[in-house]
Amino acid sequence: TQLLEQSPQFLSIQEGENLTVYCNSSSVFSSLQWYRQEPGEGPVLLVTVVTGGEVKKLKRLTFQFGDARKDSSLHITAAQPGDTGLYLCAGEDDSWGKFQFGAGTQVVVTP
Amino acid sequence: NAGVTQTPKFQVLKTGQSMTLQCAQDMNHNSMYWYRQDPGMGLRLIYYSASEGTTDKGEVPNGYNVSRLNKREFSLRLESAAPSQTSVYFCASLGGSSYNSPLHFGNGTRLTVT
Repeated sequence: TQLLEQSPQFLSIQEGENLTVYCNSSSVFSSLQWYRQEPGEGPVLLVTVVTGGEVKKLKRLTFQFGDARKDSSLHITAAQPGDTGLYLCAGEDDSWGKFQFGAGTQVVVTP
Repeated sequence: NAGVTQTPKFQVLKTGQSMTLQCAQDMNHNSMYWYRQDPGMGLRLIYYSASEGTTDKGEVPNGYNVSRLNKREFSLRLESAAPSQTSVYFCASLGGSSYNSPLHFGNGTRLTVT
């Protein structure tokens, strides 16, 4: 089993501050996805990264895939209350379509 | 377009009772999944079905059975519920390559076993 570790587990910040969430593994993944989950709902995809060293930007969110495809980070610039949620990373292992999820980072942005 | 629909949304069972969680998707996806989500443990794969007629065990299959009834429907059955199966259960589906297609999740079934 390829273990994905997310840090921190919980993050509480003020509106306008920046934050970074990390997703680390000792194993290589063919692709890695980031999801956001709100209470009472299922996770919703934010981005998929595939290539080592890849950087993707989605408005104020920046996603990076490590060169060795073992780790990833999510950086949010000037966080807003709407960014509040549980952020999950998911790595696709050797078997296509099978995803290993991290435990998640709960982000709370207060006005 | 409903996406992935799960029923019921909430369920309380007594130890030893059985039940079936239903899941249906209307996106013509080949692959379907059942996950459970527990605090501090993220989403753990119970079973998945890569295509109609096939099912495979995931990380935590003990105590569960599944049926891929057709391309649209994938059900999860608890034959004899235990308190350790108290969790939130999510069904998901996947269309094409994961490189350009996300997992689509339902809104979950919240199960409590007393």
